[in-house]
Amino acid sequence: AQSVTQLDSQVPVFEEAPVELRCNYSSSVSVYLFWYVQYPNQGLQLLLKYLSGSTLVKGINGFEAEFNKSQTSFHLRKPSVHISDTAEYFCAAATSGTYKYIFGTGTRLKVLA
Amino acid sequence: EAQVTQNPRYLITVTGKKLTVTCSQNMNHEYMSWYRQDPGLGLRQIYYSMNVEVTDKGDVPEGYKVSRKEKRNFPLILESPSPNQTSLYFCASRRKFGDNDEKLFFGSGTQLSVL
Repeated sequence: AQSVTQLDSQVPVFEEAPVELRCNYSSSVSVYLFWYVQYPNQGLQLLLKYLSGSTLVKGINGFEAEFNKSQTSFHLRKPSVHISDTAEYFCAAATSGTYKYIFGTGTRLKVLA
Repeated sequence: EAQVTQNPRYLITVTGKKLTVTCSQNMNHEYMSWYRQDPGLGLRQIYYSMNVEVTDKGDVPEGYKVSRKEKRNFPLILESPSPNQTSLYFCASRRKFGDNDEKLFFGSGTQLSVL
């Protein structure tokens, strides 16, 4: 069965430091992978996605992620975070044919001044 | 502006009192879906709809109903709410699975408390 794992429920980091949020997926078929961000009191919005092609994907607000098929990972990175990046981040996977997204449990990123 | 609109934003009700959460999208999307978000559990799909009059169960459909009589609207109905349905609910839509513009558009959420 398809699943998405985000091992870190909370990640505190100082402003201007780099950050990596981890995501692993399991699927026996090809997947599409996504990172969504949820700012306080808002809905989710797409940060970036991997459908095919280049394994390094760049998204909005300076975030990027790398699809690693051998390690079944899709970790999210940013070289220098800002206070405004404080939010909850969700990794999601979807396979063609199921029309269904599977979300991870989320990682709360807290950027400290 | 392209958007998914949910109402109400906050709702407090009592056990057993039927309620409906509305969802509307203005992007002519075929696919619409409802999720609930609970701490430590992430987002779980309740129901989804591939098109008008086509709906199917997600992972946690018990206690919920949906209908899709028009393309733009996808209401979530709780016939007899119970305290374990206290949660944050999101409606989402998307155009067509797998095209290069693939992404879900989310509403702002409905925080439901069932006493």
